Amino acid sequence: NAGVTQTPKFRILKIGQSMTLQCAQDMNHNYMYWYRQDPGMGLKLIYYSVGAGITDKGEVPNGYNVSRSTTEDFPLRLELAAPSQTSVYFCASSTPGLAGEQYFGPGTRLTVT
Amino acid sequence: AQSVTQLDSQVPVFEEAPVELRCNYSSSVSVYLFWYVQYPNQGLQLLLKYLSGSTLVKGINGFEAEFNKSQTSFHLRKPSVHISDTAEYFCAVSEVRDQGGKLIFGQGTELSVKP
Repeated sequence: NAGVTQTPKFRILKIGQSMTLQCAQDMNHNYMYWYRQDPGMGLKLIYYSVGAGITDKGEVPNGYNVSRSTTEDFPLRLELAAPSQTSVYFCASSTPGLAGEQYFGPGTRLTVT
Repeated sequence: AQSVTQLDSQVPVFEEAPVELRCNYSSSVSVYLFWYVQYPNQGLQLLLKYLSGSTLVKGINGFEAEFNKSQTSFHLRKPSVHISDTAEYFCAVSEVRDQGGKLIFGQGTELSVKP
């Protein structure tokens, strides 16, 4: 199994541009999550999904959108990128039987200038 | 709402010395407790978790943690660290009743093991 995969690994965006961060998992997990990690701040939940077609906001959803059309994929969309969105983004997946244990992807480092 | 506080942002230690990374949490409901490790330029991976039962939990790489309900703490310990333990460590909680399994993370503790 590849586990959780994320693309791209790195990206530089100009202010106002848009992009989609891709996330896929091959473990047939129902739950998927997007986090951002900023230095000294830990990880903050952006959006999450408990199954295909179901998404909900986390702690810091402003400036982002998600969709979940399949169990495997959970893309994160940034519209009108801003410098405040410079961060490292992690996708994770889980399933009810894991009681909160999450599997993380390798991350995408995004810089907005 | 839950919150997690990791009391030390950086912990330098010499190789083969013991280490304790401190974590306190706040919650009005029952929670599960986790420690994750992040090696440089990688994602997070689970070290150990407390769900119920024995308050002393053993994890991978010789780490263990003790759940103390009265002090709302979940400190991580290792009796003898190696250079390879250099990483960032995150304490996290999730509500037992949360069907979505969402995690609340602490700010992280950078463990730096020196030879």
